[in-house]
Amino acid sequence: AQTVTQSQPEMSVQEAETVTLSCTYDTSESDYYLFWYKQPPSRQMILVIRQEAYKQQNATENRFSVNFQKAAKSFSLKISDSQLGDAAMYFCAYRSPYGGNTPLVFGKGTRLSVIA
Amino acid sequence: DVKVTQSSRYLVKRTGEKVFLECVQDMDHENMFWYRQDPGLGLRLIYFSYDVKMKEKGDIPEGYSVSREKKERFSLILESASTNQTSMYLCASSLWRLAGGHEQYFGPGTRLTVT
Repeated sequence: AQTVTQSQPEMSVQEAETVTLSCTYDTSESDYYLFWYKQPPSRQMILVIRQEAYKQQNATENRFSVNFQKAAKSFSLKISDSQLGDAAMYFCAYRSPYGGNTPLVFGKGTRLSVIA
Repeated sequence: DVKVTQSSRYLVKRTGEKVFLECVQDMDHENMFWYRQDPGLGLRLIYFSYDVKMKEKGDIPEGYSVSREKKERFSLILESASTNQTSMYLCASSLWRLAGGHEQYFGPGTRLTVT
């Protein structure tokens, strides 16, 4: 079974600075999908960024980018120019490519605080 | 925009009560999921459904059941609530595709307290 590990339960960053959240995963599959989700306090969980394992290019979405290291099974999220609105729980998630109803496997999350 | 709604944001129930948590999505998604979120444990999958009247157990199904009579609605049932079921419950939905990493869309969550 696949597992996802987020080794940093809490992180903090100064406003306008850059922070990197770590995620590692364990799988024997060669193709899969990886996600970062954001859960702001008392608000809905939303997708931040998605990476397809067969794509070597790292995904980017505005200030959010990933460092995907397939051989190391590492999928870190970099947030540039941090803003107060980035404060949230961040979850890394894995999805097998097989089957249309395969659930996501989530890490335990990293709580990010942004300091003004 | 995809919308996933949950019947209550906050719910307080007594031990032994039967509890229904309702989830509705408006994007004709085939897949629906129920998760439980606890501090330090992340999201754990309780049950999911890929079609009407179909259900699959997740990682922690004990003490829970589900019902999916209509495509847009997925209910989580606590037959006899216990204090260790106090938690945040999240519903999610997604498209069914044989290939593709389709994202899950989440509801706002229901914080259930069992006293």
